[in-house]
Amino acid sequence: VIWMTQSPSLLSASTGDRVTISCRMSQGISSYLAWYQQKPGKAPELLIYAASTLQSGVPSRFSGSGSGTDFTLTISCLQSEDFATYYCQQYYSFPFTFGPGTKVDIK
Amino acid sequence: QITLKESGPTLVKPTQTLTLTCTFSGFSLSTSGVGVGWIRQPPGKALEWLALIYWDDDKRYSPSLKSRLTITKDTSKNQVVLTMTNMDPVDTATYYCAHSSGYSSSWYPYWGQGTLVTVSS
Repeated sequence: VIWMTQSPSLLSASTGDRVTISCRMSQGISSYLAWYQQKPGKAPELLIYAASTLQSGVPSRFSGSGSGTDFTLTISCLQSEDFATYYCQQYYSFPFTFGPGTKVDIK
Repeated sequence: QITLKESGPTLVKPTQTLTLTCTFSGFSLSTSGVGVGWIRQPPGKALEWLALIYWDDDKRYSPSLKSRLTITKDTSKNQVVLTMTNMDPVDTATYYCAHSSGYSSSWYPYWGQGTLVTVSS
């Protein structure tokens, strides 16, 4: 089983900030990583797949980077609608696993 | 347009078996590479991957729950069914089904709305 950590677990930020969320794997997964955004009471929404490919329709302020064991999700200019919880997911090997999440809230 | 919707009981008793159905449209589970997965989320907690079935009937399970889970598909009905035996209050969660488009493309661009299952006597 590939274990995942995310940091920070809670991030307080203001509109307009640049924010960075880290996802670290217990073993290398090449670029088999996705990022999701989830708002309360809603299903997760795919933001990024293959570590850095932006899902269609997702604003370009979202970007992903990394490979191997260390990955980053960056929001270049935080908007009000971006306050949510973010999860990474590896699909390199079974069982697929999700990270513990990072909540981005208003500072 | 791809859509998925989960259905099943909202309340089950401890030790009972849960049966959830994912009914989908906009794709076929007979198409090469396509898969449907189940993910759950206890209230206030993180997402947990449960199981996945592919177009070729390849089935994968979370090792921690494998003995309790069964995933099946009915291609003619566009449905995927997940059964979980011996339910416990810790299994209280929102259960989601989601679509993926391939073995090496097993991210989830399409999700159902989720169904909250409460386990209580």
